[in-house]
Amino acid sequence: DAMVIQNPRYQVTQFGKPVTLSCSQTLNHNVMYWYQQKSSQAPKLLFHYYDKDFNNEADTPDNFQSRRPNTSFCFLDIRSPGLGDAAMYLCATSRASGVKTQYFGPGTRLLVL
Amino acid sequence: GEDVEQSLFLSVREGDSSVINCTYTDSSSTYLYWYKQEPGAGLQLLTYIFSNMDMKQDQRLTVLLNKKDKHLSLRIADTQTGDSAIYFCARGATNKLIFGTGTLLAVQP
Repeated sequence: DAMVIQNPRYQVTQFGKPVTLSCSQTLNHNVMYWYQQKSSQAPKLLFHYYDKDFNNEADTPDNFQSRRPNTSFCFLDIRSPGLGDAAMYLCATSRASGVKTQYFGPGTRLLVL
Repeated sequence: GEDVEQSLFLSVREGDSSVINCTYTDSSSTYLYWYKQEPGAGLQLLTYIFSNMDMKQDQRLTVLLNKKDKHLSLRIADTQTGDSAIYFCARGATNKLIFGTGTLLAVQP
């Protein structure tokens, strides 16, 4: 059974054209995360939601925004994608307490032309 | 240097054991994790260890933790070609994971 679902798996956009990536979960976890992973690099946290509370990492560019309309869904909005934003974007979820193990989706690979 | 470091590449023959090593500088984490990433895919949780444990075994996987040396390792017994992937260690920090640089495991038939 799919637990963390990301759509689309591949996204092509044009330089400067806004794009939205989608994540949904069936685990009913409180916390949802967005990571950026550039080629041959480790994933890097952009931000996370603890329920409806949004928590931005200090070095996340303003170009990246997020929305969480309900427990199941979370969106990543890139307002004006640049060539440097081409990457794999990974969504993850975890419980708010206990082990807090993060479960990842398959990722969306973004290509900026 | 980086907070969490790993060697970049490991090559083994099918059937041998693989040992992937990880070192970290911040010892405040309660849990440490190993994730596997196949080409073009997301991260798959393999196992985790609580920081007050020295060892955890889960089928073919053995995790060793040396808190004094801040060293974590993942041993894969009887390595198969399907184990070829990038392996990331990660430490749990407040509301996030800090990942290592990843180790590419290549399994030769």
